[in-house]
Amino acid sequence: AQKITQTQPGMFVQEKEAVTLDCTYDTSDPSYGLFWYKQPSSGEMIFLIYQGSYDQQNATEGRYSLNFQKARKSANLVISASQLGDSAMYFCAQRSYNQGGKLIFGQGTELSVKP
Amino acid sequence: KAGVTQTPRYLIKTRGQQVTLSCSPISGHRSVSWYQQTPGQGLQFLFEYFSETQRNKGNFPGRFSGRQFSNSRSEMNVSTLELGDSALYLCASREGQGSSGANVLTFGAGSRLTVL
Repeated sequence: AQKITQTQPGMFVQEKEAVTLDCTYDTSDPSYGLFWYKQPSSGEMIFLIYQGSYDQQNATEGRYSLNFQKARKSANLVISASQLGDSAMYFCAQRSYNQGGKLIFGQGTELSVKP
Repeated sequence: KAGVTQTPRYLIKTRGQQVTLSCSPISGHRSVSWYQQTPGQGLQFLFEYFSETQRNKGNFPGRFSGRQFSNSRSEMNVSTLELGDSALYLCASREGQGSSGANVLTFGAGSRLTVL
């Protein structure tokens, strides 16, 4: 069965510093996608970044980059130059090629950015 | 473009009652998925609808049901509410039904259900 593991329940980072949020996944499917979402206290899930299993390069979106290591089945999120507004829950999720809108989510990491 | 709209945002029910939650997807999005989020179980997939048909279903009892209308709006219903149904229910929409590429799910703000 597919499983996403986020081993850091909570993390602190100083404003303007970079931070890495860990995510490992377990799937036997050859084709899949990996996603990161941010959930502020308001509850809405905000899409950050996507990586396809066949993508040769790591995905980047502004201050977000995904460190994709396929052999190790890891998809860590790197946030550069942290801002106070980055304080939120962060979820890693995986979708298999034939699962449409079904994402398997990890338990999340709560990130707190200190001024 | 308006985002995914969920109503109501907050509601309180008692055990045994039923509840209906509504979701209006982004204009042009035809797939709607529902998720339940609880502190204990995290985010769990409930079901997905495309063109008024359920395309995928999570591991939830039959008390949880949904439907989609011709304008892509979706509703989910929970009957005979239990205390454990207290959760944030999130709706998400995307353009198509395929799994290729990102085809990103865009989430609404959720409906927070409290069962007393």
